[in-house]
Order: sequence, then structure tokens, then C-alpha cells
Amino acid sequence: AQTVTQSQPEMSVQEAETVTLSCTYDTSESDYYLFWYKQPPSRQMILVIRQEAYKQQNATENRFSVNFQKAAKSFSLKISDSQLGDAAMYFCAYRRATIYGGATNKLIFGTGTLLAVQP
Amino acid sequence: DAGVIQSPRHEVTEMGQEVTLRCKPISGHNSLFWYRQTMMRGLELLIYFNNNVPIDDSGMPEDRFSAKMPNASFSTLKIQPSEPRDSAVYFCASSPRAGFYGYTFGSGTRLTVV
Repeated sequence: AQTVTQSQPEMSVQEAETVTLSCTYDTSESDYYLFWYKQPPSRQMILVIRQEAYKQQNATENRFSVNFQKAAKSFSLKISDSQLGDAAMYFCAYRRATIYGGATNKLIFGTGTLLAVQP
Repeated sequence: DAGVIQSPRHEVTEMGQEVTLRCKPISGHNSLFWYRQTMMRGLELLIYFNNNVPIDDSGMPEDRFSAKMPNASFSTLKIQPSEPRDSAVYFCASSPRAGFYGYTFGSGTRLTVV
């Protein structure tokens, strides 16, 4: 079974600095998708960035970028120029790409990293 | 599109009462997921539907929980009877078939059972 591990329960960063959140996963599949979701205090789950496993190029979305290391099964999130609004719980998630039996695949979430941004 | 719509946003009920949570997925999304989030257990997948058919309900904690999806635009999660340990935030999410798009989540229902 696939698993997602986020080994940092909490992180802290100074405003305007850069922080990296770690995520590792375990799978025997070769084709899959990886995601980072943000959950601010409002509790809304927001998709931050996604990566396709067969693409070597790391995804970027403005100040957010990932470091995808397929062989190491690592998918870290880098937040540059951190802002107060980045304070949130961040979840890493995995989704198998191959669909068996016609049903879509579920997301498998890590336990989350709580990011604090210090002014 | 208005996104995934959940109601109510907050629910406070007494132990033993029936609770019904509602969800309207994004039009065109063919999969719907119900999650429960607590501090102790994090995000737990309770059940998910594909084309209105339940695919995996192994996360439903016990028989007090039931979920239905009578059509493509509506789903309910019912707890009967409710217990204090059911207090949590319940999320509904929907997704198109293609996995690349991930989920779109609703804003959740915070359930408190007293």
C-alpha cells in the first residue's frame, strides 16, 4: 500500500525567508501524481502545487516550488519570500495515475506540517 | 462554478441525535469523497463514490455512519446516533476522473456532539 510521510510536525520561518517542507512516499507504481495542499486557520483545503511523476522538471507556482526526486521518493515544498499568509498546515498527497476498474483513485495524505511565519 | 458546497458549516447536536451533512460536488466531477479531520487522527477517508456508486467505504468507522449519493449533484453523510467522539470537521471533496487535477474540497462542516 502506498504511504506518505511528513516527518516535520511543525516548522517556523521568518517573514521574507525561505523554508522547505519535507515529504517522502512509498509506492511500487511508476506513474502517479503528487500534491501539496495548504490548510490555513479558515480550514479550507487549498491546492498549492502538483507534480506528475513522469515529468522530470520540478513544478513551480509563483513563490512555491517543489524538489521532486523520483528515485529517492521525495517531494519537498519550497516557499520563497515567506509571507504571513503562508502560515498554515501543509499536507503532502499522493495519487496513483493508473485507473483500475474504471474508478478514480483516492488521494493518500501525509499527517501534515504546521508552518508558522514570524514577522 | 461555486466550488464544492457543504452544509451546514457548523453543527452542534446532543448525543444520540441524528446528524446529516450535505454536499454538492462540482458539476462534471464524477468522484466524491468524504473525509473526517481530527487533531488525533488527522485526515481520514471515510468513503468515496464514483459515478454515484460507493467504491470504498472501509473508512466508515461503524454502522452509525452511512453515506448516500442519490444523483451526481448531491451526497449526504449521516450519523445516527451521534456520539461525542464523532466531533470533528467533515470535508467533502470532488474530483474529475483524471487524477492530475487532485481534489477540490468544500469548506467543511464542524460537528460538535455534546
